[in-house]
Amino acid sequence: EPEVTQTPSHQVTQMGQEVILRCVPISNHLYFYWYRQILGQKVEFLVSFYNNEISEKSEIFDDQFSVERPDGSNFTLKIRSTKLEDSAMYFCASNSWTGGYTFGSGTRLTVV
Amino acid sequence: RKEVEQDPGPFNVPEGATVAFNCTYSNSASQSFFWYRQDCRKEPKLLMSVYSSGNEDGRFTAQLNRASQYISLLIRDSKLSDSATYLCVVNTGGGNKLTFGTGTQLKVEL
Repeated sequence: EPEVTQTPSHQVTQMGQEVILRCVPISNHLYFYWYRQILGQKVEFLVSFYNNEISEKSEIFDDQFSVERPDGSNFTLKIRSTKLEDSAMYFCASNSWTGGYTFGSGTRLTVV
Repeated sequence: RKEVEQDPGPFNVPEGATVAFNCTYSNSASQSFFWYRQDCRKEPKLLMSVYSSGNEDGRFTAQLNRASQYISLLIRDSKLSDSATYLCVVNTGGGNKLTFGTGTQLKVEL
């Protein structure tokens, strides 16, 4: 079964540092997403990406966040200057026009 | 009112029991509805989509009531492996953004 692959599985970074979380969506999917889940809280939408541009973003997705699809396979989330409150599980997801979402196994980001 | 509201549980049930979860959503323009399952510290996995006519997949039955903005999930003959958090998820509007409930925790015991 096709998978969404995320790397790394766990990232520890110092406050103020930049991090890049990487994802390889399912190859024939057209829509790509980032969600996050703070420990003990619900899954929250960050951003959706279609046709090489952001199609929707949440209030969480401020100027510190950016997304990129640098080539035909990777989809990245960059946090420019991490804060303690950015510590969370970050999930990448993709889907086709009619299909359900497939989530990656997540990157656990710990900001210290 | 929360966009998607669920009873957080936990629901502790014996193996073989039938358990029902409920969910309400606030946006009447919501178009698609899902139940996802999430194991501890893992990604959400699609359990089933929910249709107005109701749908069944093995031991799992989902119902949608658009007039009441209410979604339900029924699990029959529960098994130890059903222990997880069940997430009510709604797709609102023209985009594909999903809005998650906080989840209902289920613990199936011997």
